[in-house]
Amino acid sequence: QKEVEQDPGPLSVPEGAIVSLNCTYSNSAFQYFMWYRQYSRKGPELLMYTYSSGNKEDGRFTAQVDKSSKYISLFIRDSQPSDSATYLCAMNGLNSGGSNYKLTFGKGTLLTVNP
Amino acid sequence: NAGVTQTPKFRVLKTGQSMTLLCAQDMNHEYMYWYRQDPGMGLRLIHYSVGEGTTAKGEVPDGYNVSRLKKQNFLLGLESAAPSQTSVYFCASSRAGTGGSQPQHFGDGTRLSIL
Repeated sequence: QKEVEQDPGPLSVPEGAIVSLNCTYSNSAFQYFMWYRQYSRKGPELLMYTYSSGNKEDGRFTAQVDKSSKYISLFIRDSQPSDSATYLCAMNGLNSGGSNYKLTFGKGTLLTVNP
Repeated sequence: NAGVTQTPKFRVLKTGQSMTLLCAQDMNHEYMYWYRQDPGMGLRLIHYSVGEGTTAKGEVPDGYNVSRLKKQNFLLGLESAAPSQTSVYFCASSRAGTGGSQPQHFGDGTRLSIL
């Protein structure tokens, strides 16, 4: 089983739709959860950062973490054409060795928002 | 507000040639990282550094060397380039933190082709 699973899509939605992006993971040591947005030919840009379980909202974006189910989600409300990008989930946490500097990424979901 | 800057942005090499990729950050971050991104493989950590003068191997270190002589710079070297090293290379940096608790910030990448 892969450490992080993310549906690659592609996902195509009309402008104004609510978008739901998801990742599942297998490593119960993960505590820090991130969502990155990557535009074509650009680097990943940090979008949301959460610690442990719960919700975090920032404008049109909401990140949810359910550690009991090992499941994280990113919701985009009132989606815009400018939201068209690849969305990467990433996570990290202390491993049995005492520390872990490596972010574990999902493979990314390609989202297109059509005008 | 430069953040993480990578040079060069594009490069084409012949098999066996060597080159150095430069990463510079202006956020006074302690930690720096080098990743490669390949289709279907996602982002994979090559090497990382937790401070000036220290480096460590990531998950795909073979064929690469790194140096961190100054806090703000992190160099990635290819001693003898191979076609398998054709990829997009990303540098990232973060504040110090235990268990990977600090989010990483990425540059816009170097697109490298090895013929």
